[in-house]
Amino acid sequence: DAGVIQSPRHEVTEMGQEVTLRCKPISGHNSLFWYRQTMMRGLELLIYFNNNVPIDDSGMPEDRFSAKMPNASFSTLKIQPSEPRDSAVYFCASSLGGPGNEQFFGPGTRLTVL
Amino acid sequence: AQSVTQPDIHITVSEGASLELRCNYSYGATPYLFWYVQSPGQGLQLLLKYFSGDTLVQGIKGFEAEFKRSQSSFNLRKPSVHWSDAAEYFCAVAPNDYKLSFGAGTTVTVRA
Repeated sequence: DAGVIQSPRHEVTEMGQEVTLRCKPISGHNSLFWYRQTMMRGLELLIYFNNNVPIDDSGMPEDRFSAKMPNASFSTLKIQPSEPRDSAVYFCASSLGGPGNEQFFGPGTRLTVL
Repeated sequence: AQSVTQPDIHITVSEGASLELRCNYSYGATPYLFWYVQSPGQGLQLLLKYFSGDTLVQGIKGFEAEFKRSQSSFNLRKPSVHWSDAAEYFCAVAPNDYKLSFGAGTTVTVRA
């Protein structure tokens, strides 16, 4: 298996632009997570999907952030409009089944907003 | 509120020496416990996890961790580090569901 796939790996954009990050989870996994990693705040869970349904989006910073999972093999995280404080590494992870199961992380997307 | 504390921000160890990374958690019941490793520019990889049973858990890459309920700790150890162990290590807990809470991480530098 190729593991969790994220694209792009690096994104540089200007403030105010829309940014879309993409994730393909491991085939067969039914849970998907978006995390953000910054020096100041560490790793934070942004949103959790189970069977393509958003279960917990309490970590989404504000309305500028939105996430979708139209099918079991694809998810997007969109920031519109982007701001410099959104600069971070965004990770997607997937897992199979219930609590405590291993989450497999993608390589991350490093976002820089100028 | 649940929290995970990794007291050491940075540890430097000589190649071949032993390594111990500390992790303490604050939670009413014993949560699921994990250690992840992150190499530069990479995602996180699971080293080991503890749910119940034997309090000494073996993981990949020669790592082990010991759960101590009385101390609310889950320290990670390796008897002899290799240069390739230089990375950032994260302790994480999940109470009884999907939601992982990560510690701030410990960066390990290995000197020759």
